[in-house]
Amino acid sequence: QVQLQESGPGLVKPSQTLSLTCTVSGDSISRGGFYWSWIRQHPGKDLEWIGYIYNTGGTDYNPSLKSRVTISRDTSKNQFSLELSSVTAADTAVYYCARTEVAAGLKRFDNWGQGTLVIVSS
Amino acid sequence: DIVMTQSPSFLPVTPGEPASISCRSSRSLLHSNGHNYLDWYLQKPGQSPQLLLYLVSNRASGVPDRFSGSGSGTDFTLKISRVEAEDVGVYYCMQALQTPPFTFGPGTRVDI
Repeated sequence: QVQLQESGPGLVKPSQTLSLTCTVSGDSISRGGFYWSWIRQHPGKDLEWIGYIYNTGGTDYNPSLKSRVTISRDTSKNQFSLELSSVTAADTAVYYCARTEVAAGLKRFDNWGQGTLVIVSS
Repeated sequence: DIVMTQSPSFLPVTPGEPASISCRSSRSLLHSNGHNYLDWYLQKPGQSPQLLLYLVSNRASGVPDRFSGSGSGTDFTLKISRVEAEDVGVYYCMQALQTPPFTFGPGTRVDI
């Protein structure tokens, strides 16, 4: 059973960089057929896909955030990470990591972490 | 980006009765492979979202058969044949055809 767990600071100051890590157990982030996503949920409950990292290490980002986002990975620790720069209050949200199945023409988020709340405030 | 809309935004339900949620996309979600790339997710209170249906009507592992999906192109429907208490939460539709980005609907809150 795959499990994902987000970790990182719950409070970030405006203009700084938000950094989160997702630790995956029960699966390998290098396994074919799956990508690894970051998704956030604002206080108003809207869900926004941030981006994903491929099993090969390539990335795709939401164009609305692309200039500020970097997703990377550490295969030795089976972790992938999110960096979001120049944050503002609008980046306050619950951040989820999720496994994205892309095999056989699918594109679905089949496993999610529990989420971590990040507040941007001075 | 493809914009997703849902109706209603709030749906009061009665256990044992059917329920239905509509989802509409700003562009057709029909791929040349014949599949519509429309998924449904349920976020139960205090939990992260979970996959409910994919490619319109395919139930994810463990999802009861009282949940069904239909539609094609730009109009889709999620139906619950007989609502149970455990079905309360927020239901989101999501398009996975034109990515990036994946885009979600605003959600429909279902409550008893």
